[in-house]
Amino acid sequence: EIVLTQSPGTLSLSPGERATLSCRASQSVSSSYLAWYQQKPGQAPSLLIYAASSRAIGIPDRFSGSGSGTDFTLTISRLEPEDFAVYYCQQFGSSPWTFGQGTKVEIK
Amino acid sequence: QVQLQESGPGLVKPSETLSLTCTVSGGSISSYYWSWIRQPAGKGLEWIGRIYTSGSTNYNPSLKSRVTMSVDTSKNQFSLKLTSVTAADTAVYYCARGFGDFWGQGTLVTVSS
Repeated sequence: EIVLTQSPGTLSLSPGERATLSCRASQSVSSSYLAWYQQKPGQAPSLLIYAASSRAIGIPDRFSGSGSGTDFTLTISRLEPEDFAVYYCQQFGSSPWTFGQGTKVEIK
Repeated sequence: QVQLQESGPGLVKPSETLSLTCTVSGGSISSYYWSWIRQPAGKGLEWIGRIYTSGSTNYNPSLKSRVTMSVDTSKNQFSLKLTSVTAADTAVYYCARGFGDFWGQGTLVTVSS
């Protein structure tokens, strides 16, 4: 099983600041099978990024994904009030599909 | 726009079977994988498994002995059964298309007597 470790656990930032979230895999993940999700309280996760760097439909360009192999990054260039949420990475190239434990982006 | 909706009992007794159905609207269920994912309160996401519209399945080894998934293409539905449930199975259960490009809103299932 591929273990995904996200860091930091919590990121305290102000609106307008840049957020950098890390996802590290216990073994190599094909970039084609790495996704990022945003989850707000009481809601289902929603897809932000797939194939490591492709934005899902309707996702603003302040969200970007990068990385390869075992190290992946989600960057939010300038935080908007609606971006404060929990973010998860996921690999679906190797069964069982797995998620990271999440990074909470909170208002400082 | 594809929409998914989970349905099923919100309360299941310990040792009994949890049964959920996901109804897909706004598109055909055919030619896609469909997944079940769960999330205990305040915790992260756990992939339960997936089913293709041909009926082929792939389950998380941690749950494999207790999980059965099925699909009914005539009703645009797929289903989850989890046997011998305990309190540890209490969670919000989500259905999703494929790896997760579309998700249902989730349904809370509580295991309690």
